[in-house]
Amino acid sequence: EADIYQTPRYLVIGTGKKITLECSQTMGHDKMYWYQQDPGMELHLIHYSYGVNSTEKGDLSSESTVSRIRTEHFPLTLESARPSHTSQYLCASSESGVDTGELFFGEGSRLTVL
Amino acid sequence: LAKTTQPISMDSYEGQEVNITCSHNNIATNDYITWYQQFPSQGPRFIIQGYKTKVTNEVASLFIPADRKSSTLSLPRVSLSDTAVYYCLVGFSGGYNKLIFGAGTRLAVHP
Repeated sequence: EADIYQTPRYLVIGTGKKITLECSQTMGHDKMYWYQQDPGMELHLIHYSYGVNSTEKGDLSSESTVSRIRTEHFPLTLESARPSHTSQYLCASSESGVDTGELFFGEGSRLTVL
Repeated sequence: LAKTTQPISMDSYEGQEVNITCSHNNIATNDYITWYQQFPSQGPRFIIQGYKTKVTNEVASLFIPADRKSSTLSLPRVSLSDTAVYYCLVGFSGGYNKLIFGAGTRLAVHP
């Protein structure tokens, strides 16, 4: 069982609020990722990190920001939420230095902005 | 990054073998082929990974021809609980390569 946790699982907020989605993993993985997925649609990579103090934007442009101050923690922040940000956000991690494509995913945070 | 192409959807019945093929014509030498399964409202889950020939584990087999431009995920004797979306990924996570998910194949298993 993968040890990667996301909170909150569900969040409903009003437009203009600042939100932070938490993601933590206890596997010591250097690489962490955030994917965005609308219902029934494909996953889009929005942020990734290869280690502490490393963050990069993914292939889908996102108004969210991320930080990586500790290896185990990779929070995602929206400064001012809008209805267009309504989606499921999935956090994942993977091990460095090995030739494997195995990503470990959290259960996701489903965000609804009214 | 190698792009993948899969069928959008497939239907099967309980007890049948299901084969899902993925095309990846521009796969690079270092790339591995990985398949994930995703149930509604959950994150994807790793199923199997291979580089060439055939790989088998307790849930699936992965067939990769010599040219590696395609791969086939084989699910033996599917059950209703195998209804999910299956994603084929091509990449090399050991290096600085982002792992990109395509649209996936939506498999529906019927009684």
